[in-house]
Amino acid sequence: GAGVSQSPSNKVTEKGKDVELRCDPISGHTALYWYRQSLGQGLEFLIYFQGNSAPDKSGLPSDRFSAERTGGSVSTLTIQRTQQEDSAVYLCASSISRASGANVLTFGAGSRLTVL
Amino acid sequence: KQEVTQIPAALSVPEGENLVLNCSFTDSAIYNLQWFRQDPGKGLTSLLLIQSSQREQTSGRLNASLDKSSGRSTLYIAASQPGDSATYLCAVWGNTGKLIFGQGTTLQVKP
Repeated sequence: GAGVSQSPSNKVTEKGKDVELRCDPISGHTALYWYRQSLGQGLEFLIYFQGNSAPDKSGLPSDRFSAERTGGSVSTLTIQRTQQEDSAVYLCASSISRASGANVLTFGAGSRLTVL
Repeated sequence: KQEVTQIPAALSVPEGENLVLNCSFTDSAIYNLQWFRQDPGKGLTSLLLIQSSQREQTSGRLNASLDKSSGRSTLYIAASQPGDSATYLCAVWGNTGKLIFGQGTTLQVKP
């Protein structure tokens, strides 16, 4: 597709349940990022994938959070045993390469997670 | 640790007014700085990217400046319009290889 696609757009779940959020990056983009945006807050980095390299997981807030990227394309962010503080908008972005220069990230519309 | 701060958190102005949004960052060792726009329920749209060697970038009614040594950037919006109402986010690239964001300024332009 033309942009970064995320699903579901909205997810309401009960505390303690597991959730999976999906990101389909722009075709050919080798770098993929997950960010979290809590109410009234800026974007918080979670995890970064670059090609076949080991992902940078330094932003994951706890071991309940994990992510994988299959075939260098689609990525899934999994949150186990969800807590109310996990409620946020989860944004995915992709870029052509590791964006340390002029490359810009293209963001998806996000997945809004509400944990009751 | 890089920290990005945006002031003000919210701003309301009448249509036609010129305005300035401020962004500051604690570590001046950055590759570039970007300004994004975020509309409710939507993703981020990149507005301007300033490389560390540049002082400013312009796009239409938008002008962004960068003073790397003092750790500051401003986004100037000329002749504001109701369609400019959105949240504006500042983000910096450092040697961590990831964008570090400020908390944003929510702008409302009243007709």
